Amino acid sequence: QKEVEQDPGPLSVPEGAIVSLNCTYSNSAFQYFMWYRQYSRKGPELLMYTYSSGNKEDGRFTAQVDKSSKYISLFIRDSQPSDSATYLCAMRMGGGSNYKLTFGKGTLLTVNP
Amino acid sequence: GAVVSQHPSWVICKSGTSVKIECRSLDFQATTMFWYRQFPKQSLMLMATSNEGSKATYEQGVEKDKFLINHASLTLSTLTVTSAHPEDSSFYICSAKQDTRVEAFFGQGTRLTVV
Repeated sequence: QKEVEQDPGPLSVPEGAIVSLNCTYSNSAFQYFMWYRQYSRKGPELLMYTYSSGNKEDGRFTAQVDKSSKYISLFIRDSQPSDSATYLCAMRMGGGSNYKLTFGKGTLLTVNP
Repeated sequence: GAVVSQHPSWVICKSGTSVKIECRSLDFQATTMFWYRQFPKQSLMLMATSNEGSKATYEQGVEKDKFLINHASLTLSTLTVTSAHPEDSSFYICSAKQDTRVEAFFGQGTRLTVV
């Protein structure tokens, strides 16, 4: 079993739809959970990160972490064509020498105008 | 803030030659830098972690003599692919992290093609 599982999609939605992206993980030692957006042939761009269970909102994006289920989600409201990209979840354990991000495979999202 | 610049964005080289990729943190001091490799439609694979002034720590299966990493200052790390071969063609991405922050920031990536 991989440490981080993410459905690669592809996911295609109409403009204005609510998008739900998800990852599951197996390592209960993960403490920080991040979502990155990667456009084609570009480096990943950090969208947001969360620590511990709960919700975190930033504009049209909401990140949700359920540590008991080892399940994280990213919701995008009022999706736009410019949101079309690959979304990568990433997680890590503690800081210092243990800092190392483990990535999901990424979900390819297309928002159609 | 938190800008990481990677150069070049793409490079084509002949088999057997060496290629150097630079990664700079423009507006913060990067105590730790990471180098990743990404194959098409695949996730990022961590190659090595480097701390300023120290030797890089390579992930299992990554040849340290082939992928030379130097992190000589708090704003610059370099990856040199030595004696490159076509199988080294890939998308290489660096990321940088400041000691006091949780998140890491990524460069734009370098597309290496070895012919």
